[in-house]
Amino acid sequence: EVQLVQSGAEVKKPGESLRISCKGSGYSFTSYWISWVRQMPGKGLEWMGRIDPSDSYTNYSPSFQGHVTISADKSISTAYLQWSSLKASDTAMYYCARYALNLDYWGQGTLVTVSS
Amino acid sequence: QSVLTQPPSVSAAPGQKVTISCSGSSSNIGNNYVSWYQQLPGTAPKLLIYDNNKRPSGIPDRFSGSKSGTSATLGITGLQTGDEADYYCGTWDSSLTAGEVFGGGTKLTVL
Repeated sequence: EVQLVQSGAEVKKPGESLRISCKGSGYSFTSYWISWVRQMPGKGLEWMGRIDPSDSYTNYSPSFQGHVTISADKSISTAYLQWSSLKASDTAMYYCARYALNLDYWGQGTLVTVSS
Repeated sequence: QSVLTQPPSVSAAPGQKVTISCSGSSSNIGNNYVSWYQQLPGTAPKLLIYDNNKRPSGIPDRFSGSKSGTSATLGITGLQTGDEADYYCGTWDSSLTAGEVFGGGTKLTVL
């Protein structure tokens, strides 16, 4: 069974750094890209970027380029989404999803709350 | 402002049929496959339709998809109260800012 399991909810202060994770199982992790999708409170889905776990090649949406970093460790089948300096506007639910010409499996989501 | 355009809401009675439209352009829907995602309240999105009109295993045939030119449509027949959810269309955009794009989402209410 394909599963993407994300790390737990985080509460951070503005300016702090954060890395959240997404662990894949039940399939060959290096055979599929992993995408990250943001959903702000009460809003729709926004694609942030994706990574090819086989070589860590990344694509970013222009809206998120430079604001986040996507990485992966194929030895432990885990992808990451990282911020170096969080803002209140980063408060959102973040989903990872497996990309197979569509987003066929999704993680359960990680809620990130940034508040002073 | 989403790249793909969906109606904000649709509604229908149990047992009835509803359609949700998704409009794009030649750089996205016009030249790429469309997917549809269902997001039940408080849960992660789930793939409902892929490659314009295919259903993943376990998705009932009450759900259907179609595409024509730069628009796509999701159809749901035999509406059930459990179908109340947000529905999103999505596809790849092949423009200079290439990436996955979504519609703004449509809230389905089963009256």
